[in-house]
Amino acid sequence: DAKTTQPPSMDCAEGRAANLPCNHSTISGNEYVYWYRQIHSQGPQYIIHGLKNNETNEMASLIITEDRKSSTLILPHATLRDTAVYYCILYNAGNNRKLIWGLGTSLAVNP
Amino acid sequence: GAVVSQHPSRVICKSGTSVKIECRSLDFQATTMFWYRQFPKQSLMLMATSNEGSKATYEQGVEKDKFLINHASLTLSTLTVTSAHPEDSSFYICSALPLTDQETQYFGPGTRLLVL
Repeated sequence: DAKTTQPPSMDCAEGRAANLPCNHSTISGNEYVYWYRQIHSQGPQYIIHGLKNNETNEMASLIITEDRKSSTLILPHATLRDTAVYYCILYNAGNNRKLIWGLGTSLAVNP
Repeated sequence: GAVVSQHPSRVICKSGTSVKIECRSLDFQATTMFWYRQFPKQSLMLMATSNEGSKATYEQGVEKDKFLINHASLTLSTLTVTSAHPEDSSFYICSALPLTDQETQYFGPGTRLLVL
């Protein structure tokens, strides 16, 4: 079973920031927080990952709380093409490098 | 970088036939590739882990004789659905772990299989 909890759906206005929350209260010390997204009928796309520090790349920012029990993915200026299902996944390289997928958050970016 | 392709993108076959799906890492080498299946409105379910030069490791409940996996090179893994039945209709997705970054999986675009 997935060890993360995400809201099933969210809406965001085009051009505004989209903040997607994820709870992972049972995270262990060697687990990374990974974010992927899946646009309808496509394969998942890697977005960003982090261990305990906040991370930023050209796609998004990842904010991880100090106790690491939750995180937020931020898309700074959402566009219509960001409409997708966003998955927050805990990854432990020791678990045979498996990714355990939950149901994610379906983000709808509205014009 | 880190591009993964799948072929075919969609396939329709008759019940009882076999279908081969290819997964290629285009700009990197991967000793490990993964095969997933996704039914409508559901999340990805891991089917098996494919390691170059060795037998695949299948998840519980996945029949290894029905879903044959071959990982003959560092850039190619194939999944063959043997004696396909309508219930095998699904979206099959592969991912690959780059040799130089054994942490992040990169995914192919998926293959839509419809068995009539």
